[in-house]
Amino acid sequence: QVQLVQSGAEVKRPGASVEFSCTASGYRFSNHYIHWVRQAPGQGLEWMGLISPSDGDTDYAQKFQGRLTMTRDTSTSTVYMQLNGLRSEDAALYYCAAGPSLAVYYYYAMDVWGQGTAVTVSS
Amino acid sequence: QSALTQPASVSGSPGQSITISCTGTGRDIGFYNHVSWYQQHPDKAPKLIIYDVTIRPSGVSNRFSGSKSDNTASLTISGLQAEDEADYYCSSYRSRDSLVFGGGTKVTVL
Repeated sequence: QVQLVQSGAEVKRPGASVEFSCTASGYRFSNHYIHWVRQAPGQGLEWMGLISPSDGDTDYAQKFQGRLTMTRDTSTSTVYMQLNGLRSEDAALYYCAAGPSLAVYYYYAMDVWGQGTAVTVSS
Repeated sequence: QSALTQPASVSGSPGQSITISCTGTGRDIGFYNHVSWYQQHPDKAPKLIIYDVTIRPSGVSNRFSGSKSDNTASLTISGLQAEDEADYYCSSYRSRDSLVFGGGTKVTVL
């Protein structure tokens, strides 16, 4: 079935970097952007950016420019997100999401979500 | 502070209709027809229920409907049911910021 499976929880110290993975299955990986959205405990959703699996092009929210990197491996249908310079406010649940039931290269919404990866930032 | 403004909470009785507003600006909701709505139950991933202002993905109940006027988008839930109790988030494309979300609205079924 169509799904996104994310890597496991991470515990990091302030200032460190963290990298998550998101593996897609059940649809044509190259045809749909993969977005990253985070949610701090008890808070709302925050869009971080997206990557085009077909050519690796990225689009990052201005807030994360300079410390966010997204890459992809088409051989394994996996995207990676690295966030540098972790701060306490980066503690959140990080979701990858895509729109495989929507139009090819549809940018504006996501209808399949991963299970989320929790990040704890603590000294 | 979220980019789009939603009421913190909305409530209604079973069978009633409720409407959740999402207010933006001329750089997002007022200019683009790319408003989406997501439903999120506790400890679950969000679920897409409306995209492009009015379109329901396959499998989403027709009790959910979306609309837009000027800088404000709205989600209406008709025939409110207990299972509709959840958090709801709006999202819009915004020039220079790509995608932005509202702060979320908690729907309570009385």
